[in-house]
Amino acid sequence: AQTVTQSQPEMSVQEAETVTLSCTYDTSESDYYLFWYKQPPSRQMILVIRQEAYKQQNATENRFSVNFQKAAKSFSLKISDSQLGDAAMYFCAYMRGNEKLTFGTGTRLTIIP
Amino acid sequence: GAVVSQHPSRVICKSGTSVKIECRSLDFQATTMFWYRQFPKQSLMLMATSNEGSKATYEQGVEKDKFLINHASLTLSTLTVTSAHPEDSSFYICSARGGREWGGELFFGEGSRLTVL
Repeated sequence: AQTVTQSQPEMSVQEAETVTLSCTYDTSESDYYLFWYKQPPSRQMILVIRQEAYKQQNATENRFSVNFQKAAKSFSLKISDSQLGDAAMYFCAYMRGNEKLTFGTGTRLTIIP
Repeated sequence: GAVVSQHPSRVICKSGTSVKIECRSLDFQATTMFWYRQFPKQSLMLMATSNEGSKATYEQGVEKDKFLINHASLTLSTLTVTSAHPEDSSFYICSARGGREWGGELFFGEGSRLTVL
């Protein structure tokens, strides 16, 4: 079974600084998708960024970028120029094809003003 | 992105009663919807996969008679917690898979907080 591991239960970063959240996963598949979701205090799940495994280029979305290392099964999220609104739980997730999402345990990110 | 609406957002009920939570895709048709349960400060745990017009597929350890899932149309799936007890108190979240025009992306509802007294 696929597993997703987030080894950092909590992280904090100074406003305007950069922070990297770690994620590793285990799969025997070669074709899959990886995601980072944000869950703010409202509890609404928000898609931050998505990566297709067949793409070598790392995905970027404005201040958010990933470091996808397929061989190492690593998928870290970098948040640049951190803002107060970035404070949330961040979940890494794996999905094969059109199957279900498997979530990591989450990392609580605190932004220090 | 597309919108998924869950209702009610909060519900309080007495032990032994049944509660129904609705999940609607507002601007797209969703052949597949997923139901999750989230305990405080924990991750989302998949309960079941709901396919329109067929029986839901439950994850191991989830009681199908306890958590009834119906996906009667392409825009509506319901989760009914039958004979609810305090241990069923939790945050329930649904997600719906968008079609080809959405690249198969999953969209999440706002969640429903159930409190069983």
